[in-house]
Amino acid sequence: AQSVTQLGSHVSVSEGALVLLRCNYSSSVPPYLFWYVQYPNQGLQLLLKYTTGATLVKGINGFEAEFKKSETSFHLTKPSAHMSDAAEYFCAVSDRRTGGFKTIFGAGTRLFVKA
Amino acid sequence: DTAVSQTPKYLVTQMGNDKSIKCEQNLGHDTMYWYKQDSKKFLKIMFSYNNKELIINETVPNRFSPKSPDKAHLNLHINSLELGDSAVYFCASSQDGGQGAETQYFGPGTRLLVL
Repeated sequence: AQSVTQLGSHVSVSEGALVLLRCNYSSSVPPYLFWYVQYPNQGLQLLLKYTTGATLVKGINGFEAEFKKSETSFHLTKPSAHMSDAAEYFCAVSDRRTGGFKTIFGAGTRLFVKA
Repeated sequence: DTAVSQTPKYLVTQMGNDKSIKCEQNLGHDTMYWYKQDSKKFLKIMFSYNNKELIINETVPNRFSPKSPDKAHLNLHINSLELGDSAVYFCASSQDGGQGAETQYFGPGTRLLVL
């Protein structure tokens, strides 16, 4: 069965500092991996996704993530945090076998950005 | 134009009541979903519909009944509301859930509070 683990329910960084949000997954078949962001009182929106091909994926707002099969990880990074990055971030996994019908979301990581 | 819309945005009701949440997407997508997000932000799939057909029903109590009158709409009716039903309910859609790599587009959520 698929699963997603996000390490750290809360991460706090200073403005301008590196953002690193960790995600590890479990899947018996090649996974599709996603990062979604949720701003307060809003729905989720896609930041980036890995399906096939290049393992370093670039997304919106300067975020990127690298798929590392050997480590079963898909960590999200941004070189320099901005106040507007404060939000809840969700890692998610699906695969061709179950399709997107059963996308599994991680528990979320709340990012705080200090001035 | 709002891509995925939900009504109402807030819903406060008494235990035992019956209520409905409506969802509409204007993206021309084939697949729609209902998710429940609890107070700890954990997001769990409830139902997935593809071309008006139920694909996934994730051990949700029978009190929850989704209805898809057409591909653009997926409504959620809840009978005999319980305190534990209090949560934020998100509707989402994707072009085709079958492959697994599709981006899901989320509505703004319906905040349900059962008293």
